[in-house]
Amino acid sequence: AIRMTQSPSSFSASTGDRVTITCRASQGISSYLAWYQQKPGKAPKLLIYAASTLQSGVPSRFSGSGSGTDFTLTISCLQSEDFATYYCQQYYSYPITFGQGTRLEIK
Amino acid sequence: EVQLVESGGGLVKPGGSLRLSCAASGFTFSSYSMNWVRQAPGKGLEWVSSISSSSSYIYYADSVKGRFTISRDNAKNSLYLQMNSLRAEDTAVYYCAISDSNSHFDYWGQGTLVTVSS
Repeated sequence: AIRMTQSPSSFSASTGDRVTITCRASQGISSYLAWYQQKPGKAPKLLIYAASTLQSGVPSRFSGSGSGTDFTLTISCLQSEDFATYYCQQYYSYPITFGQGTRLEIK
Repeated sequence: EVQLVESGGGLVKPGGSLRLSCAASGFTFSSYSMNWVRQAPGKGLEWVSSISSSSSYIYYADSVKGRFTISRDNAKNSLYLQMNSLRAEDTAVYYCAISDSNSHFDYWGQGTLVTVSS
C-alpha cells in the first residue's frame, strides 16, 4: 500500500497567516492527490483534487501543488473558518490511502 | 443538491453483524462509483471499500476483507455495507462518499456511528 505522510501533524497559526501543509507519498502517484478539510463532528469536505484543481465553491485562498511524491496545500490568508484538520488522499491505486491528518489550531 | 444519508449504525457485540445503508439523491446514482470510509474516535480517515457504478469492480481494505461486503441497488439509489464478525477495532463513524471511477471523493454523507462493544 502507498503510505501518505503529512507534516506537520499539528501546528498553531493566526488569522491572516500564510500556511503550508506538505504530503509525501511513499511512491509516485502522478497527480492523483486530493485534499480534504474536516471540522469537528462534520464530514470531510473536498478542497482540491488532481493535486492542484480547486473544487467548485472553495475559496481561492486555498491552492495545491506537486506531483510524483511531494505535494503541498497552501492557505494564503487564514480565516477563522479555516481552523480544522486537513487530510491528503491518494487515489492512484488501491488501497486508497489517507495521510494521518494535520490539525490547524488558532494561536 | 447532492445528498447522502447513512443509516444502520448502532451498538453491536463483538462477533455480531450490522448492515449500513446510504441513501443517495440529487445526482444520477447509477453513473458514479461509491465508497465507504471510516473514522475511529479521535483518529484519522480510513478507506474501507469501493464499488463501481455497475458493481463490476469492488475493492476492500485488507482490514475488512472477508468480513465486509459492499453492494448497491441502482434502482433504489442505495449503497450498502454488510459487516460481519465485527471487532472492537471496527468502532468508527462510517461515511459513504461518491466518486468518479478511481477518483477523489466529491461528496460525503454525515456518517453513522458503529460501536462494537460487549
